[in-house]
Amino acid sequence: KAGVTQTPRYLIKTRGQQVTLSCSPISGHRSVSWYQQTPGQGLQFLFEYFSETQRNKGNFPGRFSGRQFSNSRSEMNVSTLELGDSALYLCASSSEVDQPQHFGDGTRLSIL
Amino acid sequence: DQQVKQNSPSLSVQEGRISILNCDYTNSMFDYFLWYKKYPAEGPTFLISISSIKDKNEDGRFTVFLNKSAKHLSLHIVPSQPGDSAVYFCAASKPGNTPLVFGKGTRLSVIA
Repeated sequence: KAGVTQTPRYLIKTRGQQVTLSCSPISGHRSVSWYQQTPGQGLQFLFEYFSETQRNKGNFPGRFSGRQFSNSRSEMNVSTLELGDSALYLCASSSEVDQPQHFGDGTRLSIL
Repeated sequence: DQQVKQNSPSLSVQEGRISILNCDYTNSMFDYFLWYKKYPAEGPTFLISISSIKDKNEDGRFTVFLNKSAKHLSLHIVPSQPGDSAVYFCAASKPGNTPLVFGKGTRLSVIA
């Protein structure tokens, strides 16, 4: 069974640009969550989508947004990039409530 | 306010011995707890979980213990192997479709 796939693995952008990251969940998983990992803050929740609807949202500015498609694939977008957005962005999928989330290998975003 | 705390940033254990990783939480609403392992350049890998109706869950070499009154859980790895060397994250969630809250991780080094 294929795992969670994130593309691209690495990305370099400059301040002010925008970026779109992609996530394909495990087949059959309808819930997709996004997390940001930084050395200082650790793993922090961004948002969760279920059946194309945002079900939960973390404490991040509106520059961070996402969406989910009918095939459960998800994208997250960050606009007007700032140096502090440099991080590992992780996507996780799960099948049911109180079932473990399974993570992809992440997209490493570097802002110059 | 850190709701999930892993107070030991690192731990070194000899091969064959027991590794004990600890995690404390402050939010009494948490009812589902998980442990993840993370290697460099990879996403977190789910190891084991426990719901608040149990106080112990075993899976092979891994056992998680939950002490609800102390708001404390621990992961025991017996016997420890060099391949267990990684960063271990404790995570918790509240009932329903709520996001995971992560600790900052403990780096385990198993020395041959």
